[in-house]
Amino acid sequence: ETGVTQTPRHLVMGMTNKKSLKCEQHLGHNAMYWYKQSAKKPLELMFVYSLEERVENNSVPSRFSPECPNSSHLFLHLHTLQPEDSALYLCASSQDGTGTLDTQYFGPGTRLTVL
Amino acid sequence: EDQVTQSPEALRLQEGESSSLNCSYTVSGLRGLFWYRQDPGKGPEFLFTLYSAGEEKEKERLKATLTKKESFLHITAPKPEDSATYLCAAGYSSASKIIFGSGTRLSIRP
Repeated sequence: ETGVTQTPRHLVMGMTNKKSLKCEQHLGHNAMYWYKQSAKKPLELMFVYSLEERVENNSVPSRFSPECPNSSHLFLHLHTLQPEDSALYLCASSQDGTGTLDTQYFGPGTRLTVL
Repeated sequence: EDQVTQSPEALRLQEGESSSLNCSYTVSGLRGLFWYRQDPGKGPEFLFTLYSAGEEKEKERLKATLTKKESFLHITAPKPEDSATYLCAAGYSSASKIIFGSGTRLSIRP
């Protein structure tokens, strides 16, 4: 595997379900990110992890819970979601998360549908 | 308010017809301006990073330029495979401070 991978690619869940999205980066990077991309809206940065520590949480509802067990893996745990949470969830990584000179490389995304 | 605005929202060109996409930004202390290409159902693919006004970067038929208020992505003699959504993003202050524009959906007709 190369680059940034995400699983599953598609997910359909009910509002009472609990599921998790997984992201893995094979680039040797130290920072990882979760983004939400809704139709006709800009990408929204949700969470930033640098060296496995969360450095940013942009006012994301608590029904989204991130986990970064090591610098190569990032999870987004989902519970009690709402239909408006349906979107493409993108994971990205960069060399380090301490400066904006850092290029982010994205995974293919997980298309989430909440019924 | 910090903001990134892309125009036009959609652009249809004939193959070989050159044009430019615009990204205007109002952020304090820009550290980097990023351009990405996104194909349907895929994640954004990195194209360029510009750091200071006057800087230019080229890749095949694409050239990105930066001024103090906006960035342009010039596409010369485009081909159908250049059809995609082009995103720009402004990074400032720290890695967590990055704002994306809504993108320009580019379609190239053969």
